[in-house]
Amino acid sequence: GEDVEQSLFLSVREGDSSVINCTYTDSSSTYLYWYKQEPGAGLQLLTYIFSNMDMKQDQRLTVLLNKKDKHLSLRIADTQTGDSAIYFCASFPRGYNKLIFGAGTRLAVHP
Amino acid sequence: SAVISQKPSRDICQRGTSLTIQCQVDSQVTMMFWYRQQPGQSLTLIATANQGSEATYESGFVIDKFPISRPNLTFSTLTVSNMSPEDSSIYLCSVEGGRGGMNTEAFFGQGTRLTVV
Repeated sequence: GEDVEQSLFLSVREGDSSVINCTYTDSSSTYLYWYKQEPGAGLQLLTYIFSNMDMKQDQRLTVLLNKKDKHLSLRIADTQTGDSAIYFCASFPRGYNKLIFGAGTRLAVHP
Repeated sequence: SAVISQKPSRDICQRGTSLTIQCQVDSQVTMMFWYRQQPGQSLTLIATANQGSEATYESGFVIDKFPISRPNLTFSTLTVSNMSPEDSSIYLCSVEGGRGGMNTEAFFGQGTRLTVV
């Protein structure tokens, strides 16, 4: 079945860029998502990319998709303390009819 | 986007008891999803609830342990039955809200943090 993997922890300095990486195994995934979970809260959809796209930019967020390597990344420019959260990568493989989540990357932003 | 309200937001329960979690959506949706997030883990889908039919459970989850109701297009409940400490998790309700159906955009409630003692 589909497997989605992420690094578990990332620490960055305030103002720097953060890059969170994700790999997936099912090449039929039609949509790939990034969710943010702040402490004590549910998941907030940040952005998503359709599988026929290589890049999507939304303000400080840039999503890059390498379909050949099945690699997805989320870049946060000018990272702020409010960006500290857990970021989940998720895929939507064709035929599964459900989201498959990675384990989440905990982003810590320090001054 | 859909606004999802879950109740309770947290609870501490005795083992052997049951807890029913409510999920209310501000718009009519066909499919509602219940997830479990164990401490330090990712989300695992428990079941998919469609209005007017039995919920569809994922491997490892059974109706006797997690009965689900879906009485209308804006509401669902998940019951965690005969709880044990291993059921301590965050339980999240989710709905689809994307274009073209098929849960292309999933929106989540704030979750119910359950601790079983």
